[in-house]
Amino acid sequence: NAGVTQTPKFQVLKTGQSMTLQCAQDMNHNSMYWYRQDPGMGLRLIYYSASEGTTDKGEVPNGYNVSRLNKREFSLRLESAAPSQTSVYFCAISESVRGETQYFGPGTRLLVL
Amino acid sequence: AQKITQTQPGMFVQEKEAVTLDCTYDTSDQSYGLFWYKQPSSGEMIFLIYQGSYDEQNATEGRYSLNFQKARKSANLVISASQLGDSAMYFCAMRGRRGNNRLAFGKGNQVVVIP
Repeated sequence: NAGVTQTPKFQVLKTGQSMTLQCAQDMNHNSMYWYRQDPGMGLRLIYYSASEGTTDKGEVPNGYNVSRLNKREFSLRLESAAPSQTSVYFCAISESVRGETQYFGPGTRLLVL
Repeated sequence: AQKITQTQPGMFVQEKEAVTLDCTYDTSDQSYGLFWYKQPSSGEMIFLIYQGSYDEQNATEGRYSLNFQKARKSANLVISASQLGDSAMYFCAMRGRRGNNRLAFGKGNQVVVIP
């Protein structure tokens, strides 16, 4: 997984609860991304961070917030979880936003009841 | 906006045979990149191969090759000499113009390799 770690691996939440998904990398890459994968679907981009200190919305940002804590870490926060946010969440990294390959973490499986 | 289409139903492939996975794309960008990822049942996303829109030769990485037909907007993945470990979902993805590294993914192709 190209030096990308995600915590937790699994999480069950009740509707309305909050949680933060953590992503850390040891590759010294500039860009980090959060995707979600729903059954029978490819991945969809939630937010990305081109470099430390910057974040931008992706395709499906509603209901999420992100923080690029430093170059290594990029967190995804669900302030008030909804069943529609049940999904597998992947963090990815790339050297920059200029088109290099993205490498993915192992994923976090989230179930919202 | 970029769009990726993968419409093949699940495929069964005999071990040691080759398999081709179809991917068509739509974009108005002149410069773009095409990627294939493998997702085994364990769930991780594994990068396989990359093709740039200006690359004149088809990309190859070991047993993986990408059959890039720019005029037809297709980027099919060919896996030669299939192995049992190739059983997985395979996703085609596309990156648009430089400066925006958002990947658009297709819905995937399921491959099962049988002995």
